[in-house]
Amino acid sequence: GENVEQHPSTLSVQEGDSAVIKCTYSDSASNYFPWYKQELGKRPQLIIDIRSNVGEKKDQRIAVTLNKTAKHFSLHITETQPEDSAVYFCAQTRYNNNDMRFGAGTRLTVKP
Amino acid sequence: DTGVSQNPRHKITKRGQNVTFRCDPISEHNRLYWYRQTLGQGPEFLTYFQNEAQLEKSRLLSDRFSAERPKGSFSTLEIQRTEQGDSAMYLCARGADGNTIYFGEGSWLTVV
Repeated sequence: GENVEQHPSTLSVQEGDSAVIKCTYSDSASNYFPWYKQELGKRPQLIIDIRSNVGEKKDQRIAVTLNKTAKHFSLHITETQPEDSAVYFCAQTRYNNNDMRFGAGTRLTVKP
Repeated sequence: DTGVSQNPRHKITKRGQNVTFRCDPISEHNRLYWYRQTLGQGPEFLTYFQNEAQLEKSRLLSDRFSAERPKGSFSTLEIQRTEQGDSAMYLCARGADGNTIYFGEGSWLTVV
């Protein structure tokens, strides 16, 4: 599998504001793009994912967009809350490839 | 509950010693993965099992690392002659629909 670049590495927002994290990839055959949230000392937890046959997916306050042409996908969190503070990882892989590649993570801090 | 139990949760060992981690999927899962996560980084793929067959191994997996999944149920990851660079969290994950994976709580290894 190919690696994925994730930006920014840290992000600080005020409670109620929106947060956006972006990832770029190089493997044009990639077709599955999950996002994980990891709180300190805990496991990465799947929060949302998107497959290449759609351009956007939303689940309450979180959404993911995918631009296959530009090879990037983004996580959007609206109306942020302090409990959204965590490290977020994007990942990507292709069908039948079991080597899922993760970004280096974004540390999100939501200030009350 | 991710359906994956790992133990021990924490292990401190002296350099040169062998350690073994165990992963127990709570119910039947054909696909089982091991990942490693060091501080400040995303998870890195180590190896993948389809039932009892180890189908993929990362180049990161040196000869000191060995994984097994007898009978296609629980899995073990053994590290021989541990080095300080092996200090990390070792994550077991189960596969779900498509390429989706869910991580267990992880096993922290500290090599002193």
